[in-house]
Amino acid sequence: GAGVSQTPSNKVTEKGKYVELRCDPISGHTALYWYRQSLGQGPEFLIYFQGTGAADDSGLPNDRFFAVRPEGSVSTLKIQRTERGDSAVYLCASSTGLAASTDTQYFGPGTRLTVL
Amino acid sequence: AQSVTQLGSHVSVSEGALVLLRCNYSSSVPPYLFWYVQYPNQGLQLLLKYTSAATLVKGINGFEAEFKKSETSFHLTKPSAHMSDAAEYFCAVSVRGNDMRFGAGTRLTVKP
Repeated sequence: GAGVSQTPSNKVTEKGKYVELRCDPISGHTALYWYRQSLGQGPEFLIYFQGTGAADDSGLPNDRFFAVRPEGSVSTLKIQRTERGDSAVYLCASSTGLAASTDTQYFGPGTRLTVL
Repeated sequence: AQSVTQLGSHVSVSEGALVLLRCNYSSSVPPYLFWYVQYPNQGLQLLLKYTSAATLVKGINGFEAEFKKSETSFHLTKPSAHMSDAAEYFCAVSVRGNDMRFGAGTRLTVKP
């Protein structure tokens, strides 16, 4: 497809379980971002990849959260020992990663995570 | 670190009335500024962005925003609201292009 896709669209899990959220960026985009959006809030930055490497992971809230992008395309956000406070919509975005003045982030529809 | 503040979590206007959504930014260096719109159960869509080329930026769907350095503001306006404009609007700021930070959002309601 032409846009950023995220799977699953909805994920319900129990407290303490492990979850994986997937993001497929726009083809050719080297930069990939993960955000978390809690109810009534704006997107909160989690992590940014340039190619395969995490260029900025300062937004990850704790060591239960981890993300990978092994081939520089698809990325997976992994959450261990989920807690009810992890419930949110997880957004992925991608961009060309080129000059800041021209770069634009394109967002996927998000994955709604509910931890019971 | 850069940040934005959106004044008013909810704004309600009548169809055909002026839309004004307020955003103030904080940045130690010249920023890039963005407005995104989010319709229910959809991803964020870019409305417009400021990259220092012109202080008045025109975007999609008839929206525009003016960068005012003296007021550290980047308010979003539309002369005449449509019912289809009802959505959540987010202001965002970046200094390097890869460090975008969002405001809390403003929910726009359009009354018939």
